[in-house]
Amino acid sequence: KAGVTQTPRYLIKTRGQQVTLSCSPISGHRSVSWYQQTPGQGLQFLFEYFSETQRNKGNFPGRFSGRQFSNSRSEMNVSTLELGDSALYLCASSSTGQLAKNIQYFGAGTRLSVL
Amino acid sequence: AQSVSQHNHHVILSEAASLELGCNYSYGGTVNLFWYVQYPGQHLQLLLKYFSGDPLVKGIKGFEAEFIKSKFSFNLRKPSVQWSDTAEYFCAVNAPRNFGNEKLTFGTGTRLTIIP
Repeated sequence: KAGVTQTPRYLIKTRGQQVTLSCSPISGHRSVSWYQQTPGQGLQFLFEYFSETQRNKGNFPGRFSGRQFSNSRSEMNVSTLELGDSALYLCASSSTGQLAKNIQYFGAGTRLSVL
Repeated sequence: AQSVSQHNHHVILSEAASLELGCNYSYGGTVNLFWYVQYPGQHLQLLLKYFSGDPLVKGIKGFEAEFIKSKFSFNLRKPSVQWSDTAEYFCAVNAPRNFGNEKLTFGTGTRLTIIP
């Protein structure tokens, strides 16, 4: 069974640009969560999608958005990039997203560098 | 606000030493607790989890953790570490009632280095 796949693995952008990251969950998983990992702030929750609906959102500005498609694949978009957006963006999938019932599996991440 | 504290940022041990990594959370409601590990160059993976019942939980690779509700703690232990345990360890908390069923709050991580 394939794991969580994130593309691309690396991205270099300049300030002011926008970027779209992609996540394909494990087959059969309907919940996709996104996290931002930085050396200073650690892992921070961005949002979670289930059946194409955002169910939960972290404390990030509106420049960070996402969506989920009917096949459960998810994309995350960051507009008007800032230097501080440089980070490893992790995607995690689980069957239902109910963390008390299902294990969350993480992808390898997309490393975004903003110059 | 929900927060998770990992007091040890970097721990260095010799092989066969015993390990205990601290984790405290600052939330009084019902919580689900997790330890994740990130080996060099690999994905985050789940070591163990606590939802309810026996406060002493066993995970993979000989790790265990004890939930002490009165201390808001969920410390990770291993009686005898191996060089292959070198990794970064993250404690995480899910507090369903206040932050939803789907959100994990992570600690800042503890880097563990095992000297052969």
